[in-house]
Amino acid sequence: SQQGEEDPQALSIQEGENATMNCSYKTSINNLQWYRQNSGRGLVHLILIRSNEREKHSGRLRVTLDTSKKSSSLLITASRAADTASYFCATVNNDMRFGAGTRLTVKP
Amino acid sequence: ETGVTQTPRHLVMGMTNKKSLKCEQHLGHNAMYWYKQSAKKPLELMFVYSLEERVENNSVPSRFSPECPNSSHLFLHLHTLQPEDSALYLCASSQAPYNSPLHFGNGTRLTVT
Repeated sequence: SQQGEEDPQALSIQEGENATMNCSYKTSINNLQWYRQNSGRGLVHLILIRSNEREKHSGRLRVTLDTSKKSSSLLITASRAADTASYFCATVNNDMRFGAGTRLTVKP
Repeated sequence: ETGVTQTPRHLVMGMTNKKSLKCEQHLGHNAMYWYKQSAKKPLELMFVYSLEERVENNSVPSRFSPECPNSSHLFLHLHTLQPEDSALYLCASSQAPYNSPLHFGNGTRLTVT
């Protein structure tokens, strides 16, 4: 399916470490988006990467896209306790489909 | 402040009740969405409106009825719900359907008893 699947389902790291989350999908896409969701809140858009782009940065966030492998990764560098949240990738073609997310816990 | 406001934040209703969820966006966007988020499942797209016209309905049961009176407001009318409909219902908006970032509200936590 077009729907992205995040890996791992859960990730626990110490503050200051880097966190990497992966997203795989099965069909062609126009763009891929990453979102963050704090507990009990709505999703917040982080980065949009188009199918002809390979890498994008935003502050401590770095997103890569490999269309040949149908995969994307989100790297959070120098993590902070405030980064604790669920992270979702969303693949866009004729519609937008979200994965089940990666639950990131950053321990102080 | 997200720019997308949902009310109420929490709702408990019986299976025979009728209630409505409300969403309002202050971002000047042209597209609005309803998503359902259940525990440990991907977000499920329910309805999409673009310029007040419904452009997508993902086989949602008729007990959910959307209404988009203008580009700033979106409603989800609920009636004769089932316990499995208990979930977080999220509203979102974007400049254009899908190819621009979605802005989400904080959701309505619905419990059907």
